[in-house]
Amino acid sequence: NAGVTQTPKFQVLKTGQSMTLQCAQDMNHEYMSWYRQDPGMGLRLIHYSVGAGITDQGEVPNGYNVSRSTTEDFPLRLLSAAPSQTSVYFCASSYSKSGQHSYEQYFGPGTRLTVT
Amino acid sequence: AQSVTQLGSHVSVSEGALVLLRCNYSSSVPPYLFWYVQYPNQGLQLLLKYTSAATLVKGINDFEAEFKKSETSFHLTKPSAHMSDAAEYFCAVSLPTGGTSYGKLTFGQGTILTVHP
Repeated sequence: NAGVTQTPKFQVLKTGQSMTLQCAQDMNHEYMSWYRQDPGMGLRLIHYSVGAGITDQGEVPNGYNVSRSTTEDFPLRLLSAAPSQTSVYFCASSYSKSGQHSYEQYFGPGTRLTVT
Repeated sequence: AQSVTQLGSHVSVSEGALVLLRCNYSSSVPPYLFWYVQYPNQGLQLLLKYTSAATLVKGINDFEAEFKKSETSFHLTKPSAHMSDAAEYFCAVSLPTGGTSYGKLTFGQGTILTVHP
């Protein structure tokens, strides 16, 4: 298994540009999340999904959109990038088995985004 | 609601010395607790987790943590630091209430561990 993969690894955008950060997992996990990491602030939840077609907002959702059409993919869209969105973005997934959820999340390698 | 506080944004130890990274949590229900490690320019790797079984939890690379409900703490320790332990460590909490809580972790601010020769 490749686990959780993210593309691209690095991206530079100009203010106002749009882009999509890709996230995919091959572990058949139901639950997927997006976090952003900023120095001194840990990781903060942006959006999450409990299954295909079901998404909800996390702690810092403004400026980001998500959708989940398949179990495997959970892209994060920036419609109009702002310098405040300069950050490292991590995608994560988790699962339940026989009705028991692990609550443990598996993280991708991250995407480092700079908005100028 | 839940929150996590990591005491000390930077901790420095000598190689061979005890490592102690502090984590306190606030939670409305009995929580699940995690420690993750992040090496430079990498993603997060799970070190250990507490999910309401034994209060002393052992993880990878000789790390362990003890859940103390009375102190609302989940401190991470390692008896003898190694140079390869230098990294950033994150404490995180999840509320095992089912449903939409499955996709959520709340993280502390992180502690950077430096190990001196």
